[in-house]
Amino acid sequence: DQQVKQNSPSLSVQEGRISILNCDYTNSMFDYFLWYKKYPAEGPTFLISISSIKDKNEDGRFTVFLNKSAKHLSLHIVPSQPGDSAVYFCAAKRTGTASKLTFGTGTRLQVTL
Amino acid sequence: KAGVTQTPRYLIKTRGQQVTLSCSPISGHRSVSWYQQTPGQGLQFLFEYFSETQRNKGNFPGRFSGRQFSNSRSEMNVSTLELGDSALYLCASSLSARGGANVLTFGAGSRLTVL
Repeated sequence: DQQVKQNSPSLSVQEGRISILNCDYTNSMFDYFLWYKKYPAEGPTFLISISSIKDKNEDGRFTVFLNKSAKHLSLHIVPSQPGDSAVYFCAAKRTGTASKLTFGTGTRLQVTL
Repeated sequence: KAGVTQTPRYLIKTRGQQVTLSCSPISGHRSVSWYQQTPGQGLQFLFEYFSETQRNKGNFPGRFSGRQFSNSRSEMNVSTLELGDSALYLCASSLSARGGANVLTFGAGSRLTVL
């Protein structure tokens, strides 16, 4: 049972444009959501998070939007840069579960010149 | 500040063998968790250790085990290896706040190939 789903395995965006990565979840008990970025041969690195009591969190070029009623979140990258090319993972956790994250299967973003 | 260090980075084993992977967390981080990454499956939670005690466990068979030492370093062991155990094993450390986002810092992983 995939509780966190990233239905787009890949996405290609031109440099300077907006990248929108989507994530859906099924477990209404999740109360924190995180995005990680992963380059080949490296571990995932944390990008941005959002609490379920918020609907938006922004950090520089990265903004995460949460729609609790639709159980959907999205990561917006504006403007996209070639260095953003990586695999992006959406993850969710419940309060009290400390380091137990439930991850999606990832979306490979390619930013082209 | 040194990051999360995992050893070995790459290893090849044959079916039926066992393997031990090591993880040194960021200094000051008392929680270490382990994840398995396979193509198409994303990252799957294996277990978490805090103060030498297993605090959470994922849905993996008993062949997968781990431990944590007093200096917070952790090892995971897989016995009686199967072909399906071929994966990237990622270790992550954190300050281990039960509440909040509790951001994990990952190591580069140990890539295990089972032949």
